Amino acid sequence: RKEVEQDPGPFNVPEGATVAFNCTYSNSASQSFFWYRQDCRKEPKLLMSVYSSGNEDGRFTAQLNRASQYISLLIRDSKLSDSATYLCVAGGAGKSTFGDGTTLTVKP
Amino acid sequence: EAGVAQSPRYKIIEKRQSVAFWCNPISGHATLYWYQQILGQGPKLLIQFQNNGVVDDSQLPKDRFSAERLKGVDSTLKIQPAKLEDSAVYLCASSLGTGPYEQYFGPGTRLTVT
Repeated sequence: RKEVEQDPGPFNVPEGATVAFNCTYSNSASQSFFWYRQDCRKEPKLLMSVYSSGNEDGRFTAQLNRASQYISLLIRDSKLSDSATYLCVAGGAGKSTFGDGTTLTVKP
Repeated sequence: EAGVAQSPRYKIIEKRQSVAFWCNPISGHATLYWYQQILGQGPKLLIQFQNNGVVDDSQLPKDRFSAERLKGVDSTLKIQPAKLEDSAVYLCASSLGTGPYEQYFGPGTRLTVT
């Protein structure tokens, strides 16, 4: 079993749709969580950190459920420019593990 | 502020040849990471340095891969000899430290082993 698991998708949604991604992690000692975005043939870039109380950045909302060991990313009002692969990261004790990513395609 | 620099951007070699990649992290970043990303997968950590010391190299295939970070700044990753399954993008990243800091990635080196 992988330390960080994501539904690979692809998720194909129309513009304006709301889409949610989930990610589960197996290491209960994980303390830090992030979502990175990776465009095709580009490097990953931080989208947002995930805090215990949940956090929102514009159309993006991230939540953490420690009891069930999963984090989620919600994208509202999807834009064409949101098309990318979203990588979930769980970290602790100075080590970070990336999931394999969920691919989102937003269509006109 | 300059980002993470990597070279070369692309490399094609034959199996059993050797290859080296170079990375220059963001100035002041103590932690440097080398990742291997195979198509369709997430980045897999190969080695992590804190200044010039190794923090984690548990997933580095040490029979063929080596890495160093002399003087705690730039770093090189070497593969010798290369295998077909080494074809991947090699990403270098840096961060302020080993805590829950954002990692900044370089553009990567796309390696094709034929």
